[in-house]
This record gives sequence, structure tokens and C-alpha cells, in this order.
Amino acid sequence: SQTIHQWPATLVQPVGSPLSLECTVEGTSNPNLYWYRQAAGRGLQLLFYSVGIGQISSEVPQNLSASRPQDRQFILSSKKLLLSDSGFYLCAWSPSDNEQFFGPGTRLTVL
Amino acid sequence: GQQLNQSPQSMFIQEGEDVSMNCTSSSIFNTWLWYKQDPGEGPVLLIALYKAGELTSNGRLTAQFGITRKDSFLNISASIPSDVGIYFCAGQLRGGSNYKLTFGKGTLLTVNP
Repeated sequence: SQTIHQWPATLVQPVGSPLSLECTVEGTSNPNLYWYRQAAGRGLQLLFYSVGIGQISSEVPQNLSASRPQDRQFILSSKKLLLSDSGFYLCAWSPSDNEQFFGPGTRLTVL
Repeated sequence: GQQLNQSPQSMFIQEGEDVSMNCTSSSIFNTWLWYKQDPGEGPVLLIALYKAGELTSNGRLTAQFGITRKDSFLNISASIPSDVGIYFCAGQLRGGSNYKLTFGKGTLLTVNP
């Protein structure tokens, strides 16, 4: 069966510090991968998605970036965090173009 | 931006009551999905719908793909305290990217024991 992991589970970072969040998927190959941010108030905002190694599509211009160095690894990064980057970051994977399956999330607090 | 209208925004009900929530859109969707999110966790897929008119159940949950392809509803029968959470509808927009879903803003369900 497939599983998706995210780490860290929680993170507290100062403004201006770098960020690296990691997502890995097991039990599947060539998945579509997604990064979402969920601010307080519930909505899910798609940040990036990837349909293959090295292929990244950005949905929202911001100070975040994403990379996919391996087939089942998706990384969300920032060089300098802003207060507004605080939120709940969710990684998801999809076997094709329909259902998406979410990871447990990373709670990021920028102080 | 999002093109799904999900309602109600929140519900506060008594244990044992039935619940109904829905999503509507001015655009046609190829797929409708319903997710549940517990506090501090990622959303979990409850039901997936692929055909207009399709009615699918998962235990006490029932969801339908509207015949016009522009709406979907989710019913929960005989609610229990563990049904508490945020319920999201999501869909794949016809003519849109095959890789992206459009999400509703969620329905916050509170069940009073």
C-alpha cells in the first residue's frame, strides 16, 4: 500500500530564516505531487505541483520554491521566511489525474 | 481561484442527527471528491464520484454526483462525536488541467454528544 510522509511535523522559525520541508511517498512510482498551504480559516491553497522529476509548476508567486530531486520526493523551500508564511503545509500525491491523497502536514510558525 | 461554493460553512448538531452539505459550481466538473479533515491532520478521502447521477455510500456517508455535473452533496446519517471535523468537496474541472483539483472552502461540523 502507499504511504506519504512529511517532516518535520511542526516547525517554529524566525523571520528571515530558511525553510526546507520534505515529503516522500512510498509504494508507488511516478506519482503527481502537490504542495498546499492551509491558513487559519480552512481553505486549501495549491502552491506547487509536479508531474515528474525536475518538473515543477508554480501556482502562486511568492518567496517559496519547490523541487523534486527524486521520483517520490518533493521539497518545499524558502531562502527567507516571512511572517505570512505561517500555516499548515500539506503534501499530496495522486496516481493519475483524479484523487489526491494527503500527508499528515507540517505546522509552520514564523515568529 | 476557487469556483466551488460549499455550504453550509459550519453546522452544530446533536449526536444522532443526520447531516447534509453540498457544493455547487457554475462550471461542469468531471469528478467530485469528498474529504474529511480532523484537527491538525491532513484531509482523508471519503468518497470519489466519477459519473453524473452516481450515488455512492461509505458506511453512514452517502454522496451524489449531480445530474447537471455542477453540484454534489454529502449526507451523514446518525452522526456520532467522531464525525467532528472539516468536510471538503473537491472536483476536477472539465476543460481544466488534468492535474489540479478545485476545492470548496469546507464545512465545519460540530457534534454535541
